[in-house]
Amino acid sequence: EVQLVQSGAEVKKPGESLKISCQASADTFIGYWIAWVRQAPGKGLEWMGIIYPGDATKRYSPSFEGQVTISVDRSIKTVYLQWSSLKASDTAIYYCAKRGYFPQDPLDSWGPGTLVTVS
Amino acid sequence: DIRMTQSPSSLSASVRDRVTITCRASQTISVSLNWYKQKLGKAPELLISDASRLQSGVPSRFSGSGSGTEFTLTISSLEPEDFATYYCQQSHTPLYTFGQGTTLEIK
Repeated sequence: EVQLVQSGAEVKKPGESLKISCQASADTFIGYWIAWVRQAPGKGLEWMGIIYPGDATKRYSPSFEGQVTISVDRSIKTVYLQWSSLKASDTAIYYCAKRGYFPQDPLDSWGPGTLVTVS
Repeated sequence: DIRMTQSPSSLSASVRDRVTITCRASQTISVSLNWYKQKLGKAPELLISDASRLQSGVPSRFSGSGSGTEFTLTISSLEPEDFATYYCQQSHTPLYTFGQGTTLEIK
């Protein structure tokens, strides 16, 4: 079973940049996708985007396209979520989650989340 | 975009009650519907995939049904650990939208 380990909580000021990470424990980084999901304080889950580490293919939700960048470093089995200029409205918990190879597959393993506070 | 609407948004129930949560899709999604449970302060966990496939380790009191645009999650006899927020999510199109969540509270 793939375990996902996320980087620690961050406190940033508006306008600052940030890159948070999600590292997979599995021996292989191939055959599954890694998604990012946002949860604002007291709110529900929002799909942000997804990446296939095997070839770095990415898809973004229209709500987040241009606002964040998803990337991967296959050598250390780590996926990243990056902002170039944070806003207060980016304050949220960010979860990475594993999805199987096929588009209909569910998110079957989740990281513990990274709390990002922008203030 | 496919819009997912859950009802009710919140629900008060007692241990051993039977509860049902409904999730409606704005267009047909076949059986590409997943259910997640989230306890306060924790990451979500997958309960049911493909509308009715119970994940390994999930108690049999949980069940899912439906196809097309209407789906249900049923808990046959509530246990104390079931009080949480439940989300549906469609995986029919690449924009994998979630429902707004249903919070199940102890009466």
